[in-house]
Amino acid sequence: DAGVIQSPRHEVTEMGQEVTLRCKPISGHNSLFWYRQTMMRGLELLIYFNNNVPIDDSGMPEDRFSAKMPNASFSTLKIQPSEPRDSAVYFCASRLAGGGDTQYFGPGTRLTVL
Amino acid sequence: DAKTTQPPSMDCAEGRAANLPCNHSTISGNEYVYWYRQIHSQGPQYIIHGLKNNETNEMASLIITEDRKSSTLILPHATLRDTAVYYCIVRGTNTNAGKSTFGDGTTLTVKP
Repeated sequence: DAGVIQSPRHEVTEMGQEVTLRCKPISGHNSLFWYRQTMMRGLELLIYFNNNVPIDDSGMPEDRFSAKMPNASFSTLKIQPSEPRDSAVYFCASRLAGGGDTQYFGPGTRLTVL
Repeated sequence: DAKTTQPPSMDCAEGRAANLPCNHSTISGNEYVYWYRQIHSQGPQYIIHGLKNNETNEMASLIITEDRKSSTLILPHATLRDTAVYYCIVRGTNTNAGKSTFGDGTTLTVKP
């Protein structure tokens, strides 16, 4: 298995632009998590899905952030409009039902908003 | 989920055992202890987890005290590649209802 796949790996954009981050979970995993990591705030959970349904989005910073999971093999995290303070590394992770809380993380997307 | 406390940093000599402690004094009876690590510029990586018995796998050993209020992750022969941030997390069995919260972790530096 290729593991969790994220794209792009690096994204540089200007303030005000829309940014879309993509994630492909490990096949057969039924939970998907989006995290954000910064030096100041560490690793923060933004939102997670079970069986493609958003369960808890209390970590989403504000309405500029949205996440979707249209099917079991794909999820997006969108920021519109983007701001410099959104600059961070965004990780996606997936988990297998019945596998406890063992999460498998992707390589992350490093986002820089100028 | 129970809160965990870890030292912010530790050093270890290459080839020696690295013992990383974690306190989880408010842990409940059905909560597991999970350990992850994050090597610089990579995503976190699962290491090991346990409920109350000691556990061992190809990466590490996990020692949980009898009262389950603390645990120790042991890397038996640390290498330079084990330099990373190590996170201790406590999670309940009803994983469909909850979420993991990663704290600040312990930065382990393995020195030659």
